[in-house]
Amino acid sequence: DTGVSQDPRHKITKRGQNVTFRCDPISEHNRLYWYRQTLGQGPEFLTYFQNEAQLEKSRLLSDRFSAERPKGSFSTLEIQRTEQGDSAMYLCASSPFLTFFKSSGNTIYFGEGSWLTVV
Amino acid sequence: SQQGEEDPQALSIQEGENATMNCSYKTSINNLQWYRQNSGRGLVHLILIRSNEREKHSGRLRVTLDTSKKSSSLLITASRAADTASYFCAIRAEFNDMRFGAGTRLTVKP
Repeated sequence: DTGVSQDPRHKITKRGQNVTFRCDPISEHNRLYWYRQTLGQGPEFLTYFQNEAQLEKSRLLSDRFSAERPKGSFSTLEIQRTEQGDSAMYLCASSPFLTFFKSSGNTIYFGEGSWLTVV
Repeated sequence: SQQGEEDPQALSIQEGENATMNCSYKTSINNLQWYRQNSGRGLVHLILIRSNEREKHSGRLRVTLDTSKKSSSLLITASRAADTASYFCAIRAEFNDMRFGAGTRLTVKP
């Protein structure tokens, strides 16, 4: 399977614990995105990387959240001191980055998501 | 707002009927895309329409875009029970990346 892979698919944690999610994008996709989705809502943008550089961060990404993509391949999203409000599905997506003039054609490809339940 | 907003929030139809969902937005866009999400799963790309296009077809899907009204519609013809899912529009504004609305939850009854 050459799609976007996320691990773990499900995580239950106690409030105050740290959790880390991993995302392996489609190979040769140099853009990688993290979104958060709660029940009945659409995906909310959190952050994205172009290669190893984190180019944009949403204000939703509080200082308890940190994302890395150290070698420009896989990425991790860590949530420190989890709160019940962090319960959501965390979606990773990737896309190729075309030139500016061709970027209008970019499609992003999603993984199956990582469900987080904070109890 | 830099995201699209879908309408209606929920739609229930009988198998064989057509389903129409709308998306409105407020910014200038490079393109608009529609995605589908089955319950508890990731999103799957359906179709992309560029800002200089007015209509696109893909199988039973037809998407229109009216940039003067800042709106798009997704039509699913001859719906099937397997089309039951949430449908999201996503906009890509200049210098920004994809932003999604809250979606339309479509239920197709057999």
